[in-house]
Amino acid sequence: RKEVEQDPGPFNVPEGATVAFNCTYSNSASQSFFWYRQDCRKEPKLLMSVYSSGNEDGRFTAQLNRASQYISLLIRDSKLSDSATYLCVVPYLLNTDKLIFGTGTRLQVFP
Amino acid sequence: SQTIHQWPATLVQPVGSPLSLECTVEGTSNPNLYWYRQAAGRGLQLLFYSVGIGQISSEVPQNLSASRPQDRQFILSSKKLLLSDSGFYLCAWRLFKSPLHFGNGTRLTVT
Repeated sequence: RKEVEQDPGPFNVPEGATVAFNCTYSNSASQSFFWYRQDCRKEPKLLMSVYSSGNEDGRFTAQLNRASQYISLLIRDSKLSDSATYLCVVPYLLNTDKLIFGTGTRLQVFP
Repeated sequence: SQTIHQWPATLVQPVGSPLSLECTVEGTSNPNLYWYRQAAGRGLQLLFYSVGIGQISSEVPQNLSASRPQDRQFILSSKKLLLSDSGFYLCAWRLFKSPLHFGNGTRLTVT
């Protein structure tokens, strides 16, 4: 099993839709994970941190399910500007200085 | 506030030529520093990370090397580039358990 796995998509959704992505991981006992957004040919930018208690920021909600070893990202009321690739980041179990990226999930929001 | 500078933005190099990419961070002390590479259409691959001056952890035993001569300076090098070294190189910094912050990246094309 890969250390971090994401469905590559693409997820094609209409404006206003709710969409959710999962990121499964192995080899981590961290209490903090991260979601990043990457636009085409740009550097990744931090979207949200994910804590044990979950995290919500406007239309975005992130959850951690430690028992099943996955983190999720929920986007409500999708906007055209949400079209991007979403990357999850997982600290490695044996060395939390080492951060592993998922391959990303592509989201395309259409009018 | 903290800033990260990475240069050059784009680079075209012939096979067999050397490489030096530099990254500097301002506004913080003793950050963890990272080099990632993203091949076209792929995810981010961790190449090197450093938790202090002179301390380099290598994840990719290929023809690349990294050095950290100063606290906030991280250099990626190669003596002889391969075609497979083409990609988007990203430098990043973080403090303990905090998110990664990326530079703008260097797009390297080896011809």
